[in-house]
This record gives sequence, C-alpha cells and structure tokens, in this order.
Amino acid sequence: GNSVTQMEGPVTLSEEAFLTINCTYTATGYPSLFWYVQYPGEGLQLLLKATKADDKGSNKGFEATYRKETTSFHLEKGSVQVSDSAVYFCALTVSGNTGKLIFGQGTTLQVKP
Amino acid sequence: ETGVTQTPRHLVMGMTNKKSLKCEQHLGHNAMYWYKQSAKKPLELMFVYNFKEQTENNSVPSRFSPECPNSSHLFLHLHTLQPEDSALYLCASSHLRGGYNEQFFGPGTRLTVL
Repeated sequence: GNSVTQMEGPVTLSEEAFLTINCTYTATGYPSLFWYVQYPGEGLQLLLKATKADDKGSNKGFEATYRKETTSFHLEKGSVQVSDSAVYFCALTVSGNTGKLIFGQGTTLQVKP
Repeated sequence: ETGVTQTPRHLVMGMTNKKSLKCEQHLGHNAMYWYKQSAKKPLELMFVYNFKEQTENNSVPSRFSPECPNSSHLFLHLHTLQPEDSALYLCASSHLRGGYNEQFFGPGTRLTVL
C-alpha cells in the first residue's frame, strides 16, 4: 500500500539553525511528493513539490529532493526563522487514484529566538 | 488568499443540533475534499468529489453527510454529533489531471461538540 512516514516531533531549534525533517514513503507506481505547511490557526499550504525522481522542489528557502533509491523526500532549510514555526506535512499522490493525498502524521517545528 | 474559503471558521454545537459547514473554491478546480484533523492524529480524508460525483467515502459515519451541488461548492451537513467529532475540518480542491494532484486548502472550521 501507499504510506508516508515522518520523523516524530516536536523539533525545537534556535534561529538560524539548519533544519532537516525526514520523510520516507512507500508507494505503488510513480508518486508525486509534496510538503505542506500549517501555520497556527490556519489550513495547509503547499510549500513545495516534486513529480519525478531526482527533482528538487524549493520555496522560501526550503528544499527537498525526490530520492527514488532511498524512497525519501527530506525537507531542509539552511537557516530557520521564528516565522517558520509551524507543522510540516509530507504527502504523496499516486497516478491513477481518485485524487487521494496520503499524508504523514506531521512534524511540529518550533524555532526560538 | 488560497482561493478556498470555509464558513464558519468556528462552530460550537450540542449533540442534538444540526449544522452545516460550507466550502467554496474560486480556482476552477473539478475535485473537492473534506478532511478531519484531530489533535495528535494524522489528517483523515473523509470524502472526495470529482465533477460533483462522490468518488470516495472513507468509512465516515452517517452523521456526516456531504453535498456537492456544483464543482465550486461543497457542504458538510452535521447531525447528532459526538464530542469525539470535535476537530478542525478542512476543505480542499484540486484540478485532477493524470496523477498530479496539488490540493489547495481552506483555513478550516474549528468544530466543538458539547
């Protein structure tokens, strides 16, 4: 079956620290991969995406590379800010399904000044 | 502005009440979704509508009744809910094409069942 596993949080970092949030997946077929972010009190926003192996998605200083050989899509940022504090969700969708997005359980990031 | 709006943003209801959640998308998408987000649990997909037709019901109790009158509007009718139904209900929309399915989310309705 299709599934997404994220590292457990919360992750607490100081401002300007390097961030990695691990995400691995299992999928039948060829998935597209996404990172969504949820700021406090809001819905989910798409942060970045990658639709095929070796693609790198990037946005707002965040990056993630679609690694087929390790079935991973780890999220990274070189220097986090307090405003990056949020919950981050890794997700996948597989061609031919009904449009279903499979989400990981979410990782809470807290950045302290 | 995400292009997906939800009303109300907050709702408190008793177990015997009947209420409805509304979602509207202004993005020209053809698919709409309801999700439930409970504390400390993964996002749960509840329903999927594609061109107004329900294509997925994820074993949701009948006290939740969706309605999709057109591709831009989605409702979730609630009746005789339980306290454990308290959660954030998120609506999303997407343009289904092939396997690429970027979903756009609304801000959610925070539901509290007393």
